[in-house]
Amino acid sequence: KNEVEQSPQNLTAQEGEFITINCSYSVGISALHWLQQHPGGGIVSLFMLSSGKKKHGRLIATINIQEKHSSLHITASHPRDSAVYICAVGRGGNKLVFGAGTILRVKS
Amino acid sequence: NAGVTQTPKFQVLKTGQSMTLQCAQDMNHEYMSWYRQDPGMGLRLIHYSVGAGITDQGEVPNGYNVSRSTTEDFPLRLLSAAPSQTSVYFCASGLAGGTYNEQFFGPGTRLTVL
Repeated sequence: KNEVEQSPQNLTAQEGEFITINCSYSVGISALHWLQQHPGGGIVSLFMLSSGKKKHGRLIATINIQEKHSSLHITASHPRDSAVYICAVGRGGNKLVFGAGTILRVKS
Repeated sequence: NAGVTQTPKFQVLKTGQSMTLQCAQDMNHEYMSWYRQDPGMGLRLIHYSVGAGITDQGEVPNGYNVSRSTTEDFPLRLLSAAPSQTSVYFCASGLAGGTYNEQFFGPGTRLTVL
């Protein structure tokens, strides 16, 4: 079993829909990261969190440490949100363990 | 600032050839790392460095060498390329230590080994 599991693997949504991507992990962590990767593009950090909730524009990330679970929400989704969303957990220091990613396609 | 840069963007090698993937950062980050990304799998750590002159192995180091002679540069060497090394390679950098450090990724190098 992978240390970091994401669901769903693939997600197609209509423009305007509310989107949730889930991340579950099986190890103790220092922080959880959500990353975004556009097709053919590099990887950018969206959030780092170790507790509670963070919001940036239409993106919201939450984490439940007791349940070892995090969610990334996108409100009022737009085709430009189409990307791969990656969950990664920090194990102390700089080392990260990555989920396989969720491929999101938002149709107009 | 250019951030993290990688060259080349694309490369095709024949089995047995050697090459070096270049990575540079201009943010004075102590920590630098190399990952490979394969379909259906998360990024996997190949090698990392916490400062000039210090390198260590990650999860999948076999077939790769690294060195860190300066803070800015962290090249990844493939000594004898194999088809199993066909992948997209990402370099990343960040502040070293602590528990809450963002990592900055380069644009990636897509490598095909025939």
